[in-house]
Amino acid sequence: GAVVSQHPSRVICKSGTSVKIECRSLDFQATTMFWYRQFPKQSLMLMATSNEGSKATYEQGVEKDKFLINHASLTLSTLTVTSAHPEDSSFYICSAPRGVDLEQYFGPGTRLTVT
Amino acid sequence: EDQVTQSPEALRLQEGESSSLNCSYTVSGLRGLFWYRQDPGKGPEFLFTLYSAGEEKEKERLKATLTKKESFLHITAPKPEDSATYLCAVQATRNTGKLIFGQGTTLQVKP
Repeated sequence: GAVVSQHPSRVICKSGTSVKIECRSLDFQATTMFWYRQFPKQSLMLMATSNEGSKATYEQGVEKDKFLINHASLTLSTLTVTSAHPEDSSFYICSAPRGVDLEQYFGPGTRLTVT
Repeated sequence: EDQVTQSPEALRLQEGESSSLNCSYTVSGLRGLFWYRQDPGKGPEFLFTLYSAGEEKEKERLKATLTKKESFLHITAPKPEDSATYLCAVQATRNTGKLIFGQGTTLQVKP
């Protein structure tokens, strides 16, 4: 069964509003989680690393003030897209490493559409 | 710079027609190479992790192999349900957890 969940699976919002996406690890703890973005017909691009108890680490070119990440607990990380614009419309996916070999398991993704 | 290149970009096979997908990588210190399957509108599903050259892993009709420069995902006698995008990713030893993905190979298996 699924080991990482995301909520919501789909969200439509108006330009200028903020949207929060949740990522939960099920039945295991994750001190680190990762947030990816995927545009149509493209591969996954890492946006940031979410760290429990400390600040997130953002990849080059990702606006930290626009994409707020909070690792609230050992099983929950949230991504808030602030002042969303149509160009932020994308598929957002989180992942969490699990097991001795830290194999990453991905959530089902959240489809964000900004109108 | 760490880099992953997958080929072909798209592959169309007849049911039962075996083939291979390629993943070439450049990374300074490989911790692991990962294969994922992704269906449209869904998150990637973990398939294999390979750690060292010469390693092979199998799962049903899929077999993954690894050399020092590339990995292959062999698909034997594929079925229509194997149709998906297959993603390859590498993890460098210095960046534990961070994955660098290739562009993926979209496989279509026709009955």
